[in-house]
Amino acid sequence: GAVVSQHPSRVICKSGTSVKIECRSLDFQATTMFWYRQFPKQSLMLMATSNEGSKATYEQGVEKDKFLINHASLTLSTLTVTSAHPEDSSFYICSAIRGWSNEQFFGPGTRLTVL
Amino acid sequence: GENVEQHPSTLSVQEGDSAVIKCTYSDSASNYFPWYKQELGKGPQLIIDIRSNVGEKKDQRIAVTLNKTAKHFSLHITETQPEDSAVYFCASPLNQAGTALIFGKGTTLSVSS
Repeated sequence: GAVVSQHPSRVICKSGTSVKIECRSLDFQATTMFWYRQFPKQSLMLMATSNEGSKATYEQGVEKDKFLINHASLTLSTLTVTSAHPEDSSFYICSAIRGWSNEQFFGPGTRLTVL
Repeated sequence: GENVEQHPSTLSVQEGDSAVIKCTYSDSASNYFPWYKQELGKGPQLIIDIRSNVGEKKDQRIAVTLNKTAKHFSLHITETQPEDSAVYFCASPLNQAGTALIFGKGTTLSVSS
């Protein structure tokens, strides 16, 4: 149990285009999901908290108009990187909370490369 | 808000030895401390966690200890195996308001056979 998937696993796009990443909880419902960004050899940095049916909460320094988050259902959250630039190239990882515990389960990550 | 410090940044051990990774936290109200293992190119995997109402928790070769007075918690891996080689992250609640986590900087564990 507690499986989280992400799609796509890797994506290469041109500068200025938009990219959508999906995060799904496969065997449980998640009212809260999180989006993290991880640069090479660094730790995970929280970008935003995604709550089903409400607006996402963004961490300081994260542009909400650039990183659009939609938590449309209890099993799906999407992150759209708009007008991507090379500095947005990173490993994007989502996680989901199962039930009312603190346990976070992570997806396998999406490697974004912007040319 | 919470701050988490993790040491060491790298750790090399021989197969069969024990490995210990330590994290300190700043918020005395924090009550949940998970440890994650991340292999190259993959997402983090929850390997063990502990809540503030217990001092130690074990799961086979892995254990976590918590010292609330000193505000630190440690991951202990016994009888290490080459497949234990990975980056390990500790984490703690970012704040009391929600369930978001703040992560330590990670420890790269290398187990040589």
